[in-house]
Amino acid sequence: DTAVSQTPKYLVTQMGNDKSIKCEQNLGHDTMYWYKQDSKKFLKIMFSYNNKELIINETVPNRFSPKSPDKAHLNLHINSLELGDSAVYFCASSQEAIGGGAVGRDPSTDTQYFGPGTRLTVL
Amino acid sequence: AQSVTQLGSHVSVSEGALVLLRCNYSSSVPPYLFWYVQYPNQGLQLLLKYTSAATLVKGINGFEAEFKKSETSFHLTKPSAHMSDAAEYFCAVSSNTGNQFYFGTGTSLTVIP
Repeated sequence: DTAVSQTPKYLVTQMGNDKSIKCEQNLGHDTMYWYKQDSKKFLKIMFSYNNKELIINETVPNRFSPKSPDKAHLNLHINSLELGDSAVYFCASSQEAIGGGAVGRDPSTDTQYFGPGTRLTVL
Repeated sequence: AQSVTQLGSHVSVSEGALVLLRCNYSSSVPPYLFWYVQYPNQGLQLLLKYTSAATLVKGINGFEAEFKKSETSFHLTKPSAHMSDAAEYFCAVSSNTGNQFYFGTGTSLTVIP
């Protein structure tokens, strides 16, 4: 069984469109993430959600919005797509939030699982 | 504010030789540090992380990294390189509250037979 899955794997669309990328994890984790990797392989965290609470929301345009219907899903909605949005988007999950953990838990034992990525191309 | 610098965007080693990938961090608060690996045309994988416990952290695939506060470093090492280690490696830093997280620019490791 796939631990973290993303759909679609490839997404080609026109500028100005609105699109969504779905992410699901079957690990029972409390935290999910979205990352962006551009054509130069630079990585950036976009969002981090823990128990439906937004933890990290880096300098991401508000055209990007995470939607978490339940703790197993964190979908990424993108409005008014731009050429610069072309990238590979990775979803991930972990039990505790990266860099932090509940009192009494040992964050050093937690690990993170990534989805296979969604390659978004905006024409 | 936090940041990481990975010295050397490309590193080549011979098979069986020591792997050393450098990462220096800048942080105004106690940092958590991470190394990720990305194999060709694949997703990311967390290799190891430092979260203020032991300063020498052992990860998967024989890799380890040592947190050195005096040098603000978190270099990744492996005693003997395998061909399968050829990949892109990313160092990352976060605050210990988890509300900030930044990647380095990556180091591409080539293993020469």
